[in-house]
Amino acid sequence: AQTVTQSQPEMSVQEAETVTLSCTYDTSESDYYLFWYKQPPSRQMILVIRQEAYKQQNATENRFSVNFQKAAKSFSLKISDSQLGDAAMYFCNMDSNYQLIWGAGTKLIIKP
Amino acid sequence: GAGVSQSPSNKVTEKGKDVELRCDPISGHTALYWYRQSLGQGLEFLIYFQGNSAPDKSGLPSDRFSAERTGGSVSTLTIQRTQQEDSAVYLCASSLGSGRGNEQFFGPGTRLTVL
Repeated sequence: AQTVTQSQPEMSVQEAETVTLSCTYDTSESDYYLFWYKQPPSRQMILVIRQEAYKQQNATENRFSVNFQKAAKSFSLKISDSQLGDAAMYFCNMDSNYQLIWGAGTKLIIKP
Repeated sequence: GAGVSQSPSNKVTEKGKDVELRCDPISGHTALYWYRQSLGQGLEFLIYFQGNSAPDKSGLPSDRFSAERTGGSVSTLTIQRTQQEDSAVYLCASSLGSGRGNEQFFGPGTRLTVL
C-alpha cells in the first residue's frame, strides 16, 4: 500500500529561524510526484513546492526548499527565515500510480 | 482569473436531513476532487472526476454520499440522511487534468455541522 507519514503533529520555531518538517512515504513506483501544501487558518490550501521523483535536484521556492532522499523515501520541507505568515498546517502529498495520498499534517507555530 | 469557489461556506443542518454542497472549479480545469477534513485532521479523499470519464468513487464512505459533475464544470456533493459524524469541512479542488504531477487548486471549503 502507498502511504505518506508526517511524524510531527506540531512544530514550533522562533521567527527568523529555520525549521524542517519531515515526511516519509512508501510506494513501489519509480516515477511519482511529491508536494507540500500549506493550509493557513483561513482554510484555503495552497501549493508550497513540488518535486518530481526522477529529478535529482532538490526543488526550491524562495525560502522553501526540500531535502528529497529517494532511496530513503524521505521528503522534508525546510523553511528558512521563518515569518509569522508561515504559521499554518503543512501537508505532504504524493501523486503515485494515479493515486493521491496525503499525510496527516504538521501544525507549524511561529513564535514572535 | 477566479479561483475555485464553494457554496455555502457554512451549513448547519439537522440529523437526517439531506444537504447539497456546490463546487465551481477553475475554468478549463478538467479534473475535480472532493475531500473531507475533520477538525485538525488531514484530507480524506472522497471522489474524483476527470473529463468525461467515469468518476473514481472509491473514497465515498457510504451510499449516503454521492456527487455529480454537470457539463464537465460545476460539481455537487450530496449527503443524504446526514449523521453527526458527517460534520466536517468539505473541500473541493481542481487541476488542469489527469497528467501526473498537476497542482491542485483548492476552494475555501464548506463547513458542515450536523446537529
